[in-house]
Amino acid sequence: EDQVTQSPEALRLQEGESSSLNCSYTVSGLRGLFWYRQDPGKGPEFLFTLYSAGEEKEKERLKATLTKKESFLHITAPKPEDSATYLCAVVSGSARQLTFGSGTQLTVLP
Amino acid sequence: ETGVTQSPTHLIKTRGQQVTLRCSSQSGHNTVSWYQQALGQGPQFIFQYYREEENGRGNFPPRFSGLQFPNYSSELNVNALELDDSALYLCASSSGLAGGLEQYFGPGTRLTVT
Repeated sequence: EDQVTQSPEALRLQEGESSSLNCSYTVSGLRGLFWYRQDPGKGPEFLFTLYSAGEEKEKERLKATLTKKESFLHITAPKPEDSATYLCAVVSGSARQLTFGSGTQLTVLP
Repeated sequence: ETGVTQSPTHLIKTRGQQVTLRCSSQSGHNTVSWYQQALGQGPQFIFQYYREEENGRGNFPPRFSGLQFPNYSSELNVNALELDDSALYLCASSSGLAGGLEQYFGPGTRLTVT
C-alpha cells in the first residue's frame, strides 16, 4: 500500500526566512510525485510533477526536488501570500489515483 | 480554458438522507476523479470515471456511487448519510489514460451532516 508522510505538520516562518518541507513516500513503482498548494476551504492548486530521482522543478520562490525516498519543497525568501497548506501526493494504480500526505500548514509572518 | 467547477458550494443534510454532488471537468479532459477530504487531512480517493465507466475505486462503501455523462461531467451520490461523511468533496479532472498524470481540482463542495 502506498504511503506518504509529510513533515513538519505546521511551520511558521518570518517573511524572508527560507526553509524546506519534506515528503517521504513508499510506493511500488513511482510513476509521479505531485506538489499542490491548498488555501483554506478551497481545492488544491497544482504546483509541480516530478517523475524520477534527481529531477528538480522551480516556480517563483518554490523549488521541488526528488530522491528515491523523499521529495523536498524549498521555499526561498517566502512572503505572507505563500501561507497555505502544501500537499504532496504520489500516483499509482491503473486509475492513476493520487495518494496524499496530510500536508504541511505553512504560515509566513510579515 | 474553463477550469473544473463543482456545485453546490455548501450543503447541509441530515443523517440518513441522500445527496448528489456535481462536477464539470476542465475542457479537453475526459477523466474525473472524486476525493473526500476531512478537516486537517489530505484528500482520499473515492473513485474515478473514464469515458463514462468506473475505472478504479478507493476504500469507500457502496453507498458512495457515481456517474459520468457523455460531456464528461460527473455526479457523486451518497446514500444513507452518516455524521462521518461530513467533509470537503473534491472533483479532479485529467486528460485520461493516454495523457499526462496531472489532476486539476475544483473548488470543492463542503458537506455537513447533522
